[in-house]
Amino acid sequence: DAGVTQSPTHLIKTRGQQVTLRCSPKSGHDTVSWYQQALGQGPQFIFQYYEEEERQRGNFPDRFSGHQFPNYSSELNVNALLLGDSALYLCASSLALGTGATEAFFGQGTRLTVV
Amino acid sequence: GIQVEQSPPDLILQEGANSTLRCNFSDSVNNLQWFHQNPWGQLINLFYIPSGTKQNGRLSATTVATERYSLLYISSSQTTDSGVYFCAVDGYNQGGKLIFGQGTELSVKP
Repeated sequence: DAGVTQSPTHLIKTRGQQVTLRCSPKSGHDTVSWYQQALGQGPQFIFQYYEEEERQRGNFPDRFSGHQFPNYSSELNVNALLLGDSALYLCASSLALGTGATEAFFGQGTRLTVV
Repeated sequence: GIQVEQSPPDLILQEGANSTLRCNFSDSVNNLQWFHQNPWGQLINLFYIPSGTKQNGRLSATTVATERYSLLYISSSQTTDSGVYFCAVDGYNQGGKLIFGQGTELSVKP
């Protein structure tokens, strides 16, 4: 079991550009959630995908969008990058259980730097 | 929404010492997890513990759901225990959306 995998591990982008981050969930999981972690802070929930749809969303602008594919993998897209978007982006996978979910497992993260 | 508070924010220990980290949360939860974040940013699962007590080697955790807190115990600490420890909760009907505390940064000195 490869666990949750994310790519790329590091990325440097210029302000105003667009970026796409990718996540493959743990085998057997159907739900993917994305988190942003600024330096010295706890991870903040961006959004969650289940059955190829955005199921819930945190307090992030529309510049942040995502997608889930039929194989449950997911992408996070950020448009019009700002310096403040520099952070560690974490992907978590879990299995939906009614209105809840099983234990979440995280990937190693993508460290995005916007210059 | 649910608020999660961790204490202490920082902790410095000598190797071999024991410690207790606390997590308070403001509402009933479906799930509570403890993580250790290594220097490279990876969140390592320690415990999935919505209630009760669990032990894994030198680490153990207790969640008292009715009083809305959880404790993580580290015994005989080692330098490899250094890093940031996060508590995260999933409220009822939240579909697995985790709310994280600010973390406890632990430094174990040789």
